[in-house]
Amino acid sequence: RKEVEQDPGPFNVPEGATVAFNCTYSNSASQSFFWYRQDCRKEPKLLMSVYSSGNEDGRFTAQLNRASQYISLLIRDSKLSDSATYLCVVHTGRRALTFGSGTRLQVQP
Amino acid sequence: ETGVTQSPTHLIKTRGQQVTLRCSSQSGHNTVSWYQQALGQGPQFIFQYYREEENGRGNFPPRFSGLQFPNYSSELNVNALELDDSALYLCASSLAGINQPQHFGDGTRLSIL
Repeated sequence: RKEVEQDPGPFNVPEGATVAFNCTYSNSASQSFFWYRQDCRKEPKLLMSVYSSGNEDGRFTAQLNRASQYISLLIRDSKLSDSATYLCVVHTGRRALTFGSGTRLQVQP
Repeated sequence: ETGVTQSPTHLIKTRGQQVTLRCSSQSGHNTVSWYQQALGQGPQFIFQYYREEENGRGNFPPRFSGLQFPNYSSELNVNALELDDSALYLCASSLAGINQPQHFGDGTRLSIL
């Protein structure tokens, strides 16, 4: 079983739609969580950290459920510019970030 | 604030050769991590350096080695290159600490022929 699992997609949604991604992690000792965004052939860029109480940044909302070991990302009012791969990232305390394989989002006009 | 910079951007090598990739960390960041990203996969952790010492290592063989310099810049060296080493190599810098997010450079795309 992979340490961090994501649905690879692609998720094809129209502009203005709301879309949600989930991610599960296997290590219950994981301590911090992030969502990164990666455009084609570019480096990953931090989208947001994920806190136990849930957090929101504009159109983006992240949630963490430690009991079920999953993380979610909700994007409201999707824009064409949101098209990218979204990487779920977990820090287990072993100095490294563990990445999921990513979920590809394609927002269509 | 200067971001993470990597060089070169692209590199082509043949099997058996050796390669050195370079990374300058974001100003103020003292920790550098290296990742390998194969096509269609998420980045895989190679190792991390803090205060010029290896501070953690992923599941990569010893032919992957690194250095960190007093100015926190870093090198990744790969010996005896294999075809499967073809990938995007990403450097990320951060402050020390588990809740610190890592910020990535543009990466070096390495192709092995």
